[in-house]
Amino acid sequence: GEDVEQSLFLSVREGDSSVINCTYTDSSSTYLYWYKQEPGAGLQLLTYIFSNMDMKQDQRLTVLLNKKDKHLSLRIADTQTGDSAIYFCAVYSSASKIIFGSGTRLSIRP
Amino acid sequence: DTEVTQTPKHLVMGMTNKKSLKCEQHMGHRAMYWYKQKAKKPPELMFVYSYEKLSINESVPSRFSPECPNSSLLNLHLHALQPEDSALYLCASSQRTGNTEAFFGQGTRLTVV
Repeated sequence: GEDVEQSLFLSVREGDSSVINCTYTDSSSTYLYWYKQEPGAGLQLLTYIFSNMDMKQDQRLTVLLNKKDKHLSLRIADTQTGDSAIYFCAVYSSASKIIFGSGTRLSIRP
Repeated sequence: DTEVTQTPKHLVMGMTNKKSLKCEQHMGHRAMYWYKQKAKKPPELMFVYSYEKLSINESVPSRFSPECPNSSLLNLHLHALQPEDSALYLCASSQRTGNTEAFFGQGTRLTVV
């Protein structure tokens, strides 16, 4: 079945860039998402990318997709304390399901 | 408007109670989903509705009963739950099933006592 993997933790200094990585197995996934979840809250759709794109930029967010390696990354420029959250990579699988990675907890150091 | 509204935000229920979770969207989306999220875990799919018909049931126990009375509303009826069913229940919607943006609500935090 579909598998989506992420590292569990990332710590960055305030003002630096954060890069969160994700790998997936279903090569037929054409929609790939990044969601943000703050403590006790629901999921906020941050951005998404089509599989026919290599890159998408939206203000401080840059998504890179390497379809050959099935690797997705999210770069957050000028990371702020408000960016502290869990970030989920997710893919829309061929079985009409959104499959989530385990989530990466981003913490910001002053 | 990309809002999915879930009520209630918090729910505490006994194992013999019957309660319902409600989800509403007014984006004209025809696919709606229920997910369950345990603490420190990713969301797990429970049900998918497409054009008001149940299209996916991920082998969810019958004590969870979904209902889609119209294209804007999705309910989850709960009966005879167990303490291990305590979790955050998330509703989502998308234009259709199959590769579109999916928007999530804030969830209902359920505690079964």
